[in-house]
Parts: sequence; structure tokens; C-alpha cells
Amino acid sequence: QSLLTQPPSLSAAPGQKVTISCSGSGSNIGNSYVSWYQQLPGTAPELLIYDNNERPSGIPDRFSGSKSGTSATLGITGLQTGDEADYYCATWDSSFSAWVFGGGTRLTVL
Amino acid sequence: EVQLVESGGGLVQPGGSLRLSCAASGFTFSDHAMHWVRQAPGKGLDFVSAISSNGVSTYYANSVKGRFTISRDNFNNALYLQMGSLRVEDMALYYCARGGTYSRDAFDIWGPGTMVTVSS
Repeated sequence: QSLLTQPPSLSAAPGQKVTISCSGSGSNIGNSYVSWYQQLPGTAPELLIYDNNERPSGIPDRFSGSKSGTSATLGITGLQTGDEADYYCATWDSSFSAWVFGGGTRLTVL
Repeated sequence: EVQLVESGGGLVQPGGSLRLSCAASGFTFSDHAMHWVRQAPGKGLDFVSAISSNGVSTYYANSVKGRFTISRDNFNNALYLQMGSLRVEDMALYYCARGGTYSRDAFDIWGPGTMVTVSS
């Protein structure tokens, strides 16, 4: 049972927008930066968003992040079939003095 | 090219030990905190351990505390994870990941992983 709660799965059509939620608590999201990762099938994760809403170089602006209180959200616009992947949020938890990941959300682009 | 490559995985019996390595290249290894993250077959990502850039500070998930030890060799650009008292639930693909480029809390480079199988 992860400290960060994500919906297990989502689906949307190509071209549409989707948001993936990540819910935590005051000891993690409420007091730390959130990052998001994309894991394509059979590959290692890739950093999509850091510090709640910043994109690393090379990540398209179709991907966005936000945080409010103890929840964070990843947004993806203009969905493409290549966006089919598992998405994970992560942050630091001060109660455990460790980083924690959400359980992951499998995105299907129909 | 910035690269991380893990090695040392394999089949081990419950209660056994294994040492994982992660070879870094293409960047100044000693400038970065490093992390181990694992993924059990068909499951999500799970933080295992981290070490500061100078090796002074270490962090562990509760599930591995007292059984795993993280270390690094900044001269040889290598990260290690000594795993002991292995359990079936430790079976996973173990990734090493680089931290601290963009943020303390973001892991921006990942290796392909090395598989650890715990079975009798």
C-alpha cells in the first residue's frame, strides 16, 4: 500500500487531454516537491516533471504538473498512442526520511 | 553519453546475499546523489536506498533497513548495494538512478536495471 495514491488506470482518445492525480499527506506531498515519471513498456522510467511543475529539457510542453496542498496532478494534452505507458508520482516523505512512489497509473490511448 | 549500467543481479536463495553494482559514465559522478529503485514483476516502482554525493548521508526504505547497505566509490564512478538476508519479496528489477541534476527530489537518469531473483 503506497503512501501516494494514484488511480490504477485511465483511458482517453488520441488528441484528448488527461489528468492523473496523486494524493498524499502533509508528511510527503504537503511539504515536498513532486516529480513524475513515464515508464513505457519494457523500459526504464523517464523523468517528466520535477519540482511540481518544471519540465526537464527535451520533455514536450504537452506534459504539465501542478500541486495543491497534499495532492499533485500530471496533465497530458494532445494524447498520442506513444503516450501509452505507466505514470508514477514521487516525493520525499519526512516521516520515513525516504522517497516514496505512487502506485502508478496505466494510461491507455484508445 | 550519460549512462548508468547495473550489474550483479542473479538467482539467490532466501536468506542469501548479493552485491549490486552500478557503473556511471558521461558525467561527474561525485556531483550527484544516487539512488536504488526496484520494481517487482508486474508491480510499481519502489524506493530502496539513496546516498549523498559525498557518501556521508544514506537513506533506506523501512523494508530493507538493517539488511541492505548502499555505498559508492567516487574515484571509480561506481554505486553499490550490498543486500543481505534476502527475502522472496525482494525479488525485483533493481534500477540505479541519478539525483540532484534538476532537483534533490528528481531522478533524471536511470539504468536499464538488473534482475534479482530470490527463490529456493
